[in-house]
Amino acid sequence: DSGVTQTPKHLITATGQRVTLRCSPRSGDLSVYWYQQSLDQGLQFLIQYYNGEERAKGNILERFSAQQFPDLHSELNLSSLELGDSALYFCASSSGGQSWSYNEQFFGPGTRLTVL
Amino acid sequence: KNEVEQSPQNLTAQEGEFITINCSYSVGISALHWLQQHPGGGIVSLFMLSSGKKKHGRLIATINIQEKHSSLHITASHPRDSAVYICAVISATNKLIFGTGTLLAVQP
Repeated sequence: DSGVTQTPKHLITATGQRVTLRCSPRSGDLSVYWYQQSLDQGLQFLIQYYNGEERAKGNILERFSAQQFPDLHSELNLSSLELGDSALYFCASSSGGQSWSYNEQFFGPGTRLTVL
Repeated sequence: KNEVEQSPQNLTAQEGEFITINCSYSVGISALHWLQQHPGGGIVSLFMLSSGKKKHGRLIATINIQEKHSSLHITASHPRDSAVYICAVISATNKLIFGTGTLLAVQP
């Protein structure tokens, strides 16, 4: 158990809908990262937050947004969902705010999103 | 051509065998990570390397910055090592790039 929790585990929704995925980092970790893993594109980094502020941005679509709250949990909002958004969404946390070059990351179990 | 290539894509080994998974990249990097993804989907960070070699239990990771190549070795492989192994590099421009993974099956 990494200490990172994600809810829900599974989510099934329809095209055009909006969903929110939630992540609670390990106790004491200030950074939260979001990743998407799909069958055709593999793992992709979406976005990083550090202590409430956006720190780094990857291949995140404009239809997607994230935020980190004062209690350090984070939410990833996906809107106007398309079939191609079906994927596993992972969050990870680390203690520092620097990039992957310096901090080991601890991954949550993921949320499997199915868009029908 | 992908900026991060892993080989082989699939690997089947017998329990006890020595296993090598390779990662080659075409960009300048500041660090490289090896990740393990279990059949259930969970991801574990195995190593973070910027030079040389690291060892943890039966796992050894090496990196040759000049040759732009890293290897992950598993000694005395066990069926519980069956997983997808993913290489990820942090480019010099701070872009995170994942390889497509190597699916390892270790048979008893």
